[in-house]
Amino acid sequence: GAGVSQSPSNKVTEKGKDVELRCDPISGHTALYWYRQSLGQGLEFLIYFQGNSAPDKSGLPSDRFSAERTGGSVSTLTIQRTQQEDSAVYLCASSQAGSLSYEQYFGPGTRLTVT
Amino acid sequence: AQKITQTQPGMFVQEKEAVTLDCTYDTSDPSYGLFWYKQPSSGEMIFLIYQGSYDQQNATEGRYSLNFQKARKSANLVISASQLGDSAMYFCAMREGNTNAGKSTFGDGTTLTVKP
Repeated sequence: GAGVSQSPSNKVTEKGKDVELRCDPISGHTALYWYRQSLGQGLEFLIYFQGNSAPDKSGLPSDRFSAERTGGSVSTLTIQRTQQEDSAVYLCASSQAGSLSYEQYFGPGTRLTVT
Repeated sequence: AQKITQTQPGMFVQEKEAVTLDCTYDTSDPSYGLFWYKQPSSGEMIFLIYQGSYDQQNATEGRYSLNFQKARKSANLVISASQLGDSAMYFCAMREGNTNAGKSTFGDGTTLTVKP
């Protein structure tokens, strides 16, 4: 079956521009997560959506970052006025909800480079 | 305070030998789950194994086993009979809470290199 997909796979943008990153979770997964991974580093949690509940935005690094999830499926992460420190791989994951044991399925990531 | 600590930035193991990757965690929640993921150089994150805080037995999945020592708050990953394809970065992660899936906290990872 189809896994988590993300687009674009690579994005190069100029400092100060806005970017949108898209995530299509696995069908039927109600939980969706965004993480950021800088080169050679671990994953930094950004935001988490669960069904119709208010998202957990506790990991967003600044108000330049926002995300939405439409219809409980596709999610878009928006970074406004990009800075060079925003350069990283942005990973999306989805999982079933209802049990701690449900692992997250990750997409291939979007590599963002801010020049 | 960091909730997941992986103290080994890099590890080497000879092919066909076993290797242990360390992970310690910190939480005050009695209900939590521990996960290990593998990230090859291609970048995808691959789920390996899960251990619940209330599980009485250590989790095993093929060549992977999790050495869960609750009192020490450690959840080490043991890979038996290492293969060249095991060379990758390995992340330990924890999810806190009750029944609802929530965000996971990841460690900084351990890079494993399997030598022929």
